[in-house]
Amino acid sequence: QVQLQESGPGLVKPSQTLSLTCTVSGGSISSGSYYWSWIRQPAGKGLEWIGRIYTSGSTNYNPSLKSRVTISVDTSKNQFSLKLSSVTAADTAVYYCARGPLQAPGVVDVWGQGTTVTVSS
Amino acid sequence: DIQMTQSPSSLSASVGDRVTITCQASQDISNYLNWYQQKPGKAPKLLIYDASNLETGVPSRFSGSGSGTDFTFTISSLQPEDIATYYCQQYDNLITFGPGTKVDIK
Repeated sequence: QVQLQESGPGLVKPSQTLSLTCTVSGGSISSGSYYWSWIRQPAGKGLEWIGRIYTSGSTNYNPSLKSRVTISVDTSKNQFSLKLSSVTAADTAVYYCARGPLQAPGVVDVWGQGTTVTVSS
Repeated sequence: DIQMTQSPSSLSASVGDRVTITCQASQDISNYLNWYQQKPGKAPKLLIYDASNLETGVPSRFSGSGSGTDFTFTISSLQPEDIATYYCQQYDNLITFGPGTKVDIK
């Protein structure tokens, strides 16, 4: 059973870059059958899709975040990563990494447990 | 961008009640609509995909319908374990989630 685990700093200073990594276990990230996403949720609020990457390296981003987001994949480590630049307090949220099957491009069928990132000086 | 709305934003119902949530897209998204359940402190869980298909292992009291811009999610007989927030999500153009509907027991 594939599992996803987010890791990274829980506290980031304003204007800096938020960096998170998702480690995939129980399956290969390069199997080619899935895409890999980042989704976030501010405390007490709804879900916001950040973007996704395919194992080919192709990416799609939320237009509202596109100028600040980079998602990359490291197949040798079975990981994918999120970088969000120029963060503000509005970027404080629980960040989830997630998987979706290529044959169902909108489905998110496996989620990490989420990691809380606070933007504060 | 495709915007999603849900109503109501919250509801309280009794155990055994039929519960209905609606989701509306700002443009035609065909049946490219999924429903997720999120319990407090947990990651969301996929319940319904492609508007009306029940994910494997999900109880049959959950169902979905609709196409185009208007969609409905139904719990036929509310159970205590169904207390959660429910989100619709479109994937016709990238991915957008609705604002969520919080379901409580009366």
